[in-house]
Amino acid sequence: EAGVAQSPRYKIIEKRQSVAFWCNPISGHATLYWYQQILGQGPKLLIQFQNNGVVDDSQLPKDRFSAERLKGVDSTLKIQPAKLEDSAVYLCASSFWYEQYFGPGTRLTVT
Amino acid sequence: GQQLNQSPQSMFIQEGEDVSMNCTSSSIFNTWLWYKQDPGEGPVLLIALYKAGELTSNGRLTAQFGITRKDSFLNISASIPSDVGIYFCAGQETSGSRLTFGEGTQLTVNP
Repeated sequence: EAGVAQSPRYKIIEKRQSVAFWCNPISGHATLYWYQQILGQGPKLLIQFQNNGVVDDSQLPKDRFSAERLKGVDSTLKIQPAKLEDSAVYLCASSFWYEQYFGPGTRLTVT
Repeated sequence: GQQLNQSPQSMFIQEGEDVSMNCTSSSIFNTWLWYKQDPGEGPVLLIALYKAGELTSNGRLTAQFGITRKDSFLNISASIPSDVGIYFCAGQETSGSRLTFGEGTQLTVNP
């Protein structure tokens, strides 16, 4: 069974630029999550989708972050404009029930 | 929001030794999950716990869901070099709600 796919794996941008990350969840998983993991910390949920509807985006900085999940499968997370403190690993996860399975993440460096 | 206290923050052990780490919460959780994260990769699910008092094993790993539903522990027996990594606990208050992660336990195994 194929796992959660993410791209790109690494991205370096300058502050105030924009960036987008892509995620393809495990086939059949209705729930998709985006997490931010700052170095030395556990992942923090940014947004949760159930099919193509948002379940929880209470921790998403909506002035600069946006996410969509068209057709209830793939998802994109965008940051515009990026700040230095956005440097982190962005993880995508999916679940069918309680157990969440993670992709390899995208390491973002903002200079 | 709820917080998870994970301890210890780091452990340095000799190959063959047993390891124990735990998480405590300020809130009652209905689900506890334990993950391992290798450098440059996303967290990998090790064990999932769904009932208070539940004790579950996965090879050399054993985890328990505390009776109070506010804590969980993970034991690794007879550690080997490939056990090196960061171990995260994660808890969920209700089904479908946000997963809260601990800060992680960095495990180093000396051969």
